[in-house]
Amino acid sequence: GIQVEQSPPDLILQEGANSTLRCNFSDSVNNLQWFHQNPWGQLINLFYIPSGTKQNGRLSATTVATERYSLLYISSSQTTDSGVYFCAVEDDSGYSTLTFGKGTMLLVSP
Amino acid sequence: KAGVTQTPRYLIKTRGQQVTLSCSPISGHRSVSWYQQTPGQGLQFLFEYFSETQRNKGNFPGRFSGRQFSNSRSEMNVSTLELGDSALYLCASSLLGQGGYTFGSGTRLTVV
Repeated sequence: GIQVEQSPPDLILQEGANSTLRCNFSDSVNNLQWFHQNPWGQLINLFYIPSGTKQNGRLSATTVATERYSLLYISSSQTTDSGVYFCAVEDDSGYSTLTFGKGTMLLVSP
Repeated sequence: KAGVTQTPRYLIKTRGQQVTLSCSPISGHRSVSWYQQTPGQGLQFLFEYFSETQRNKGNFPGRFSGRQFSNSRSEMNVSTLELGDSALYLCASSLLGQGGYTFGSGTRLTVV
């Protein structure tokens, strides 16, 4: 099956700093999403981005499908950005199945 | 519009018992999928239902089963619970091929 690797596994930032999270995947995909898992466990959808670039406030994401990677940018980080960020992909097998990376644990300190 | 609703939020069960979890998708979404999250294995796919049919199943034992009703609501059942079944169970709904997946708040199952 498709493999998804996220880096870095852990990241500690001072409030106000910028960061880049990376997601590499091993095969072509129909769908790629970035999620933020809140302290209660819910996966909050940040971006649906199988290709191209999108921006939402301080967050932006880019997926280069031909090179099989995606990047999530967080600018001017805030303590509320802390948590685990997951990249998940749906391969092109025709099944509605997401394969998740292991996540990046982000801690933003004041 | 209402999001994906999972019930119950928390559950404590004893080894050997069985449990049923419920998921109501976003209105109009006919695909419902289930995922298990544990600290050791991360997020793993359990199964996916579309129009009351299981279309795909992950690598889990037969003790894990599910179904989908005509209103797209889905249930998953775990029989003969083991300690290792303690996990966060997440449900997602989607419009096939459009817009990605939306997840519910999850059910946190503890087996003692």
